[in-house]
Amino acid sequence: GAVVSQHPSWVICKSGTSVKIECRSLDFQATTMFWYRQFPKQSLMLMATSNEGSKATYEQGVEKDKFLINHASLTLSTLTVTSAHPEDSSFYICSASPMELPEETQYFGPGTRLLVL
Amino acid sequence: RKEVEQDPGPFNVPEGATVAFNCTYSNSASQSFFWYRQDCRKEPKLLMSVYSSGNEDGRFTAQLNRASQYISLLIRDSKLSDSATYLCVVNKGGSYIPTFGRGTSLIVHP
Repeated sequence: GAVVSQHPSWVICKSGTSVKIECRSLDFQATTMFWYRQFPKQSLMLMATSNEGSKATYEQGVEKDKFLINHASLTLSTLTVTSAHPEDSSFYICSASPMELPEETQYFGPGTRLLVL
Repeated sequence: RKEVEQDPGPFNVPEGATVAFNCTYSNSASQSFFWYRQDCRKEPKLLMSVYSSGNEDGRFTAQLNRASQYISLLIRDSKLSDSATYLCVVNKGGSYIPTFGRGTSLIVHP
């Protein structure tokens, strides 16, 4: 099956630092990747849709200057949380949609837990 | 009204029981529906897609009711390993952008 990896799996950082999270599709190419955030006991909230070679599409209420997304290749998308604050602490999950399958088919990465002190 | 609504539960059932979850959605133009399973502190994994004609995979049956705008998931002969949160996912009408429900927690006990 399709595999999506995320790195790092855990991050603990001081307030004000920037954190970069990588999402890779390991055995397929993905023109579209999604970034989600999940707070405890809450649903996954879509933050943005990342398209290879173009700017990401952000959901309403998500600051594009705060959450920088780069989708530089068909197998890699990165999310950078700039000047992280404690309220940014969350579980960040990416998913990728294989090029040869309908775009609604998504494979999820294992997630990255971010804790901002 | 939320776009996708689920009863958070928890549903606490004994092994072997049959349990059903519903999920309602607000956008009548939605075309694609899914059930995902999420274990504690893990990523969601696709359980099954939901088709107009309904579909069955072993002990799991999913149904779609467009008139009432809800989907359902039925689990027969519950196993301890079925304990998880079940997420309903509905794609926005005319697109593949997914909207997740909050999830329904299932606890299967011996």
